[in-house]
Order: sequence, then structure tokens, then C-alpha cells
Amino acid sequence: NAGVTQTPKFQVLKTGQSMTLQCAQDMNHNSMYWYRQDPGMGLRLIYYSASEGTTDKGEVPNGYNVSRLNKREFSLRLESAAPSQTSVYFCASSTHTDTQYFGPGTRLTVL
Amino acid sequence: KQEVTQIPAALSVPEGENLVLNCSFTDSAIYNLQWFRQDPGKGLTSLLLIQSSQREQTSGRLNASLDKSSGRSTLYIAASQPGDSATYLCAVRPDNAGNMLTFGGGTRLMVKP
Repeated sequence: NAGVTQTPKFQVLKTGQSMTLQCAQDMNHNSMYWYRQDPGMGLRLIYYSASEGTTDKGEVPNGYNVSRLNKREFSLRLESAAPSQTSVYFCASSTHTDTQYFGPGTRLTVL
Repeated sequence: KQEVTQIPAALSVPEGENLVLNCSFTDSAIYNLQWFRQDPGKGLTSLLLIQSSQREQTSGRLNASLDKSSGRSTLYIAASQPGDSATYLCAVRPDNAGNMLTFGGGTRLMVKP
């Protein structure tokens, strides 16, 4: 089992460019999540998907969109990147009651 | 709004010491509390999960306690080793918000040989 995988691992964008972060899990989990982590801060939830076909906003959704493509895949899109979106992005998945399993992260820099 | 605070933000100890990491939360209506470990440049790994009805959980040299009424949890690490060096994060799951977690800022631990 690969667990939770994320691509790319690193990305540098210019202000205004768009990109999609990809996440996939092979644990048959219903729920998937996108977080961002900034220096000295814990993780903050951007969006989550409790089950295939549903998505909901988390604490910091502005500037992002998500797509739950199928049960395995949950993507995060930045339509017009801003320097404030420079961060490390983590995807996670879980059952309804169990702990969350995290991917290795994507380090994004917006110039 | 739930807020989770971890003190201290950073800690450096000599190898072999027993140590305690602290986590506090403002809303006691939680479903569970979890402790995670994060190594530099890596994702998070779950260490211990305490249900709201439990007082503590143990795994090897790690023991986590929960006092829900006072909004506190501690992670006790016995006989610390250099391999324990990492950032430790606590997270709470609210009672009424699905499996969504609110994280503290983390404690960065360095264990010196």
C-alpha cells in the first residue's frame, strides 16, 4: 500500500498563475482533506470531502477550489496564485471514525 | 471557535530525560484528541488517539493523558532518545463537526546525544 500520495513535491509559481495539486489514497477511505501549514503554525483545514461526490469548506477556503474526482482522488486548485498562498500543503484521508493518514506534502512558493 | 495551544513551542533536552509536552484547548466538547509526530520535510504520523471518554493512552515509551473538563492533554515521553527529535502536534476533533481536526502550533523537540 502506498497510503496517501501527493504530486508534485515542490512547485514554484508566479503571481497569477494557476495549478492543481493532486492527491490519491489507496486505503478505501471515504473522507479526504486538504490542509496548509505555515511556519510556526499548525495545520489549517482548507477543504474536505466526507464522501465521494461531496465537498465542504474548512477554515481557510478563499482562493482555492477542490474536486473529489472519485473515491481515491481529491485535487486542490489554485486559480490565480498569490504570495500569501506560499505554504506546505498536506492531503489526508480517513474513515469516519479513525485517525487521519497524511501524505508527504507539497511545498509551494508563489513569487 | 475551538483554539488549540501547545506549550512550549520548542524544547531541547539531553538524551535519557523524561519530558512532558502540553496541549490545551478552549472548547471541551470534543470527540477525541490526537497526538501526531512530524519529521522535518515530512507528513504527519499518528502517535496516539484518546477518545473523549478515556483518560489516557499508552504506546511504548509514550503516554498521553486527557482532562476534557479542564481542556488539557499531556504527552509524556520516557527516556528520550535522539530519534525522538521531531515536531509534536496535538489535534482535537469536535463533537459535532465530522472528522475535522483543529491543530495546535506544535512543539519542536530536540533530544541531544
